[in-house]
Amino acid sequence: DAKTTQPPSMDCAEGRAANLPCNHSTISGNEYVYWYRQIHSQGPQYIIHGLKNNETNEMASLIITEDRKSSTLILPHATLRDTAVYYCIVRTGANNLFFGTGTRLTVIP
Amino acid sequence: NAGVTQTPKFQVLKTGQSMTLQCAQDMNHNSMYWYRQDPGMGLRLIYYSASEGTTDKGEVPNGYNVSRLNKREFSLRLESAAPSQTSVYFCASSVRDNYGYTFGSGTRLTVV
Repeated sequence: DAKTTQPPSMDCAEGRAANLPCNHSTISGNEYVYWYRQIHSQGPQYIIHGLKNNETNEMASLIITEDRKSSTLILPHATLRDTAVYYCIVRTGANNLFFGTGTRLTVIP
Repeated sequence: NAGVTQTPKFQVLKTGQSMTLQCAQDMNHNSMYWYRQDPGMGLRLIYYSASEGTTDKGEVPNGYNVSRLNKREFSLRLESAAPSQTSVYFCASSVRDNYGYTFGSGTRLTVV
C-alpha cells in the first residue's frame, strides 16, 4: 500500500472551509484514497473515499488531482466539533488501512 | 443499532496474565479487524478476518491470537500480557473491501 504525507497540524476559523492536504505520490492505479477522523480518543470515523473522481457527501468533499498523487479533504463550514485528527489513507483490497499520524485540525472560535 | 461493540472498555493486567478482548458487530459485515493505537501514533493492524472462518496476520501480530467465532464476533486474546502491550485496542468491521470501516469505541489496556 502507498504511504501518505500530511501536515502534522492545521488551524481553521469556525465557519470557514477547512482544506486538508495529503500527498500520496506512490499511489498505484487501483488504490483508493480514504479519509477518517478521530475525535479525542474515540474510534476513527469514516468520512469519505474515492478512486479518481471528486466525491462529495454530507460530511465533506474529496478532491483528487488528475495524476492522483495528491488529494484534499474539504470541510465546507468547519465547526468546533470538527476538531480532530484527520487521517488520509490509501489501500488496495488487501484488508488493511495504513494509518499514519494524520493532521491535527483545530477549529478556532 | 449499536454498530461495533467492544468489551471491556478499560482493563488493567499484571505482566503474564491473560485476557480476551471481545468485539461484536450487528451490521452483518463480512470483514472484521483488530488495531492497536499507542500514544501519539496512528493505528496499526494486529489481525483481520476477511470473512467468517478466516483470519490473517496484520502488521503487529506477535503476542496475540484471534478467533472469528461467527459472523458477528471477533475476539483478540493476549496469552501472556507484557507492558509493551499497553495500548488502546480498536475493533472495526466493513461490509467488504473498498468500503468504509466502522470502528468500536476502544478498549484501554494497561499492563503493569
